[in-house]
Amino acid sequence: KAGVTQTPRYLIKTRGQQVTLSCSPISGHRSVSWYQQTPGQGLQFLFEYFSETQRNKGNFPGRFSGRQFSNSRSEMNVSTLELGDSALYLCASSSDPFGEQYFGPGTRLTVT
Amino acid sequence: GNSVTQMEGPVTLSEEAFLTINCTYTATGYPSLFWYVQYPGEGLQLLLKATKADDKGSNKGFEATYRKETTSFHLEKGSVQVSDSAVYFCALSDRDGGFKTIFGAGTRLFVKA
Repeated sequence: KAGVTQTPRYLIKTRGQQVTLSCSPISGHRSVSWYQQTPGQGLQFLFEYFSETQRNKGNFPGRFSGRQFSNSRSEMNVSTLELGDSALYLCASSSDPFGEQYFGPGTRLTVT
Repeated sequence: GNSVTQMEGPVTLSEEAFLTINCTYTATGYPSLFWYVQYPGEGLQLLLKATKADDKGSNKGFEATYRKETTSFHLEKGSVQVSDSAVYFCALSDRDGGFKTIFGAGTRLFVKA
């Protein structure tokens, strides 16, 4: 079974721009979660989707948004980028949102 | 709300030393507990898990026991190898906490040859 894939792996953007990150979950997994990982804040939960519905959202500003498609693939968008948005963005999928999660390799976003 | 606290790193050990990484949690319900590991340049991967009190999770020589009375899930390994150098995350998921997994801050482990 193919693992969780994330594209792109690396991104460099300028302050004020917007960015879209993509995640393809493991086949059959309907729950997709997104996390932001930074050295100072650790792993912070962004949101969780199941069957195209956002079921939970972390404590992030409205500039961070996401969606899930009918094939369970998910995207997250960050608008009006700030320097502090530089981070590794991790996507994880699972068949049970309370069970183990399977992580992708992440997208490294650098905002200059 | 739910939370996970794990010992700060980095932890530096010599090869074949004994490893303990402490993890305690706060949860309103009956959580499942996990240890994840992150190798350089990679995403997290599940190391082991336990779903109820007194369960012991084990994998690749690592062990952790779900202790409800002390709300702890400490990670141990009897003899570490250089290849165990990584960041270790303790985590919990709990139906009362909503559809999300809560992670600890992570503990970086360095193992010297």
